[in-house]
Amino acid sequence: GESVGLHLPTLSVQEGDNSIINCAYSNSASDYFIWYKQESGKGPQFIIDIRSNMDKRQGQRVTVLLNKTVKHLSLQIAATQPGDSAVYFCAENSGYSTLTFGKGTMLLVSP
Amino acid sequence: DTEVTQTPKHLVMGMTNKKSLKCEQHMGHRAMYWYKQKAKKPPELMFVYSYEKLSINESVPSRFSPECPNSSLLNLHLHALQPEDSALYLCASSVTSGSSYEQYFGPGTRLTVT
Repeated sequence: GESVGLHLPTLSVQEGDNSIINCAYSNSASDYFIWYKQESGKGPQFIIDIRSNMDKRQGQRVTVLLNKTVKHLSLQIAATQPGDSAVYFCAENSGYSTLTFGKGTMLLVSP
Repeated sequence: DTEVTQTPKHLVMGMTNKKSLKCEQHMGHRAMYWYKQKAKKPPELMFVYSYEKLSINESVPSRFSPECPNSSLLNLHLHALQPEDSALYLCASSVTSGSSYEQYFGPGTRLTVT
């Protein structure tokens, strides 16, 4: 059989739906968070960031929500498109110069 | 120019070879990073350079040797690698080191060790 550890959590949506990708972070002292999108064969691409003195930040079609009480971060993508299909990683600053990445979620968008 | 470039795109090397990966950015960033990424896993930090000086080495084996010749260039010298070192090697840069700066990533070098 296959190991669960080899599989990314996957979110499958229809084109035009809104997508919500969740992330739990570990360090209550983290004060900066980033969402990255990684398409197959490419490096991670910055989507949006948020500092710990905020609980919501909006970009173009994307919104990041931060709940420090439960150490939870979410990325909302409005009107999801096939080009949004990728692996999405949250990352938290875990100390001087270092980002710690979450496990990642694969988003699959069907036409 | 908001681009980090990496060469080569793909590299196949034997366990006795010596090779180098190269990374370049012209954004004036003073912090540069090497990450290793295995399939279906998040990037893992290897090294951080700040103002051309090595500031963080995440207990990386000595068969990986980083070098920062100037503020725009970052190299990773490889020698006597093992098959388990096969991975995507990502370079990134940021304005400076510190906790609140976005890191820009290159496309990576896909390394296969045979």
